[in-house]
Amino acid sequence: TQLLEQSPQFLSIQEGENLTVYCNSSSVFSSLQWYRQEPGEGPVLLVTVVTGGEVKKLKRLTFQFGDARKDSSLHITAAQPGDTGLYLCAGADTNAGKSTFGDGTTLTVKP
Amino acid sequence: DAGITQSPRYKITETGRQVTLMCHQTWSHSYMFWYRQDLGHGLRLIYYSAAADITDKGEVPDGYVVSRSKTENFPLTLESATRSQTSVYFCASSQISGMKTQYFGPGTRLLVL
Repeated sequence: TQLLEQSPQFLSIQEGENLTVYCNSSSVFSSLQWYRQEPGEGPVLLVTVVTGGEVKKLKRLTFQFGDARKDSSLHITAAQPGDTGLYLCAGADTNAGKSTFGDGTTLTVKP
Repeated sequence: DAGITQSPRYKITETGRQVTLMCHQTWSHSYMFWYRQDLGHGLRLIYYSAAADITDKGEVPDGYVVSRSKTENFPLTLESATRSQTSVYFCASSQISGMKTQYFGPGTRLLVL
């Protein structure tokens, strides 16, 4: 079973601060996805990274896939209260036809 | 644009009863998935299906049964509900497993008394 560890588990910051969330594994993934989940709703995809070393930007969010495709990070610049939510990473095992989710990072951005 | 729907949204049942959670998607996606989400455990895969009549076990399949007679439907049955199955259940679908986006339903909140 491929495992994904996310850190930190909880993060509470003030509006305007920067933060980084990490997703680590000992396994290699064919691709890695980041989802954001708001209370009472299902997760929604933010980004998919495929190539080792790949960096993708989505407004104030920067996603990086490790060179060895075992880890990833999500960096948020100048966090806003609207960024509050549960951030989940998911590693894809194409051969097995499924993905493995990390336990998530719960982010709270205080105004 | 109905997308992916789940029913019921909330369910209270008793230990030992059979419960079926429904999932319906309108995109004709090949893959469908069932996850449970518990505090501190993120999303854990119960069962998934690559196509109609093809299903596979996930990480935590014990106590659950699935079927997929039609592409658009993927019901999850708890044969004899236990308190440990109290959780939030999410159904998801994707066009191609792994490489493509998984679209999640709104979830079913199940309480087993």
